[in-house]
Amino acid sequence: EVQLVESGGGLAQPGGSLRLSCAASGFAFRSYGMNWVRQAPGLGLEWLSHISASGATIYYADSVKGRFTISRDNAKNSLYLQMNTLRVEDTAFYYCARDATSWRDFDPWGQGTLVTVSS
Amino acid sequence: DIQMTQSPSSLSASVGDRVTITCRASQNINSYLNWYLQKPGKAPDLLIYGASNLQNGVPSRFGGSGSGTDFTLTISSLEPEDFATYYCQQSYTNPRTFGQGTRVEI
Repeated sequence: EVQLVESGGGLAQPGGSLRLSCAASGFAFRSYGMNWVRQAPGLGLEWLSHISASGATIYYADSVKGRFTISRDNAKNSLYLQMNTLRVEDTAFYYCARDATSWRDFDPWGQGTLVTVSS
Repeated sequence: DIQMTQSPSSLSASVGDRVTITCRASQNINSYLNWYLQKPGKAPDLLIYGASNLQNGVPSRFGGSGSGTDFTLTISSLEPEDFATYYCQQSYTNPRTFGQGTRVEI
């Protein structure tokens, strides 16, 4: 079964840091681009970042550029999101998602991990 | 950035109804348009990719059409499990923006 499982969410203070992980299984992780998407409670979906299969190409949304860093370890079938200088407005569910086809659609998605930024 | 505008933002419907949701891109995205369904408390699920390709396992009552800037998701006959929020997303370029969502409720 193709599966993604996020971890690492929790409570952080404004200005603090968290590192999210996404463990992949059931497919050739090293062959697929990966993404992070977030959703603030009760609101819509916001794409955050993409990393290519090799890790050579990376893109960020302006809202997180310079604060968040995406990375991957193909030997460990894992995707990461290092989040620094956290803000209250970063409070959200964070999902990892695979680039499924050449149309760059997202499938599957992980179950999500909640990040709460509050003092 | 490419802006994605969905309409309506919400709609009320009944089981058996035909439902149409539209998504408009602020510039040409060819057919790089995907549709997702999200139920409360769950991650989104892929329904349609490349504007009109049905994801494996998705019922045939779902259909997608369009190209360029104007796209449509159609549910031919609503089932109880279809009451959820639907999002379009452009994957033509980064940032891969989503529409604001359409809530389908009874």
